[in-house]
Amino acid sequence: AQSVTQLDSQVPVFEEAPVELRCNYSSSVSVYLFWYVQYPNQGLQLLLKYLSGSTLVKGINGFEAEFNKSQTSFHLRKPSVHISDTAEYFCAVSDFGGSQGNLIFGKGTKLSVKP
Amino acid sequence: NAGVTQTPKFRVLKTGQSMTLLCAQDMNHEYMYWYRQDPGMGLRLIHYSVGEGTTAKGEVPDGYNVSRLKKQNFLLGLESAAPSQTSVYFCASSNFYEQYFGPGTRLTVT
Repeated sequence: AQSVTQLDSQVPVFEEAPVELRCNYSSSVSVYLFWYVQYPNQGLQLLLKYLSGSTLVKGINGFEAEFNKSQTSFHLRKPSVHISDTAEYFCAVSDFGGSQGNLIFGKGTKLSVKP
Repeated sequence: NAGVTQTPKFRVLKTGQSMTLLCAQDMNHEYMYWYRQDPGMGLRLIHYSVGEGTTAKGEVPDGYNVSRLKKQNFLLGLESAAPSQTSVYFCASSNFYEQYFGPGTRLTVT
């Protein structure tokens, strides 16, 4: 069975500072990895995804994530955050091949960017 | 191209009442999903469908039923609502490698 652990439930940070949101997963098979963002009172929007190839994945809004197979991690980073990045971020994993595209989500990390 | 839409956006039910949530997608996706989101729990899969006329149980299916009579629609039903079903419900559709989410339905059961 797969699982996802987001190590921080809340991350406060000042505007223009760098941020890292941590995600670890467990799976017995090859996986595909995703980060979604949820702005207040909205649905989820895909930030970036890792399916194969380069382990450094770039997404929208200046975010990037690095897939580390040996550490089973997929941490999300941004070098300089803006107030508008305040949102909840979800890491998700899928093995697609055996799960009909089902995603397993972490419990979320609330990023709060302060001026 | 509206993507994924959900109806209604808000609903308040009394315990024991029934209702149906409608999800529609215009991207011709085969896969559709229903999730519930509760504070501190992330999103949990209720039911999903891999094509018209097919449905399957997810992680938390009890108390819910679904139907996929048309490829573009995925209905979620609550036959006898309970306060534990107070939640935000999200529908998603997928081209297999990426899920697209609707705006959500906020349901309160009193």
